[in-house]
Amino acid sequence: DAKTTQPPSMDCAEGRAANLPCNHSTISGNEYVYWYRQIHSQGPQYIIHGLKNNETNEMASLIITEDRKSSTLILPHATLRDTAVYYCIVRDNNDYKLSFGAGTTVTVRA
Amino acid sequence: GAVVSQHPSRVICKSGTSVKIECRSLDFQATTMFWYRQFPKQSLMLMATSNEGSKATYEQGVEKDKFLINHASLTLSTLTVTSAHPEDSSFYICSVAPGLGNNEQFFGPGTRLTVL
Repeated sequence: DAKTTQPPSMDCAEGRAANLPCNHSTISGNEYVYWYRQIHSQGPQYIIHGLKNNETNEMASLIITEDRKSSTLILPHATLRDTAVYYCIVRDNNDYKLSFGAGTTVTVRA
Repeated sequence: GAVVSQHPSRVICKSGTSVKIECRSLDFQATTMFWYRQFPKQSLMLMATSNEGSKATYEQGVEKDKFLINHASLTLSTLTVTSAHPEDSSFYICSVAPGLGNNEQFFGPGTRLTVL
């Protein structure tokens, strides 16, 4: 019962911005969009989350469309260490559970 | 973010033995912890929600008698894989939820279990 759809993989060049899309057309009004990433053989790492406004932190920016049916995670200057699987997750903020889909495998190339 | 540790980081055991994995929240008290497992080239699957001082809540299809969870303190949860078999070989990851208005989850580094 995946609530999000992401491309399975994408490549990006080191130093360039990486734009990771996510579709969540069935998102409900009280559900947030969360992004995590998992570097190989490590636990997932929280990146950012948002409800309807765009968000930015030291790691990334999150752009959510006005209808909230899709979003884009932006890594402004990708480095080789950003190579990971990126998960877009929709979650009710009153529910701690996270349901991980297949994610997008991002490979940053020199 | 919160610091979460797991021990051991990797373990190899013989079929039929039991293996205990520890998850510790190092810098805050966690009333809720989660256990996930991840098979090769697959995503994380939630196994159970561990609540301090009460019984864990298991996801559908996860055998509670095989995967014993104990959350006896606010900083420690343990997962015991009983009578392990090769099909239990997986990457086991815990996470903690600070609560109190903070809905992020912070993940441990994971434990690689290989059952021979």
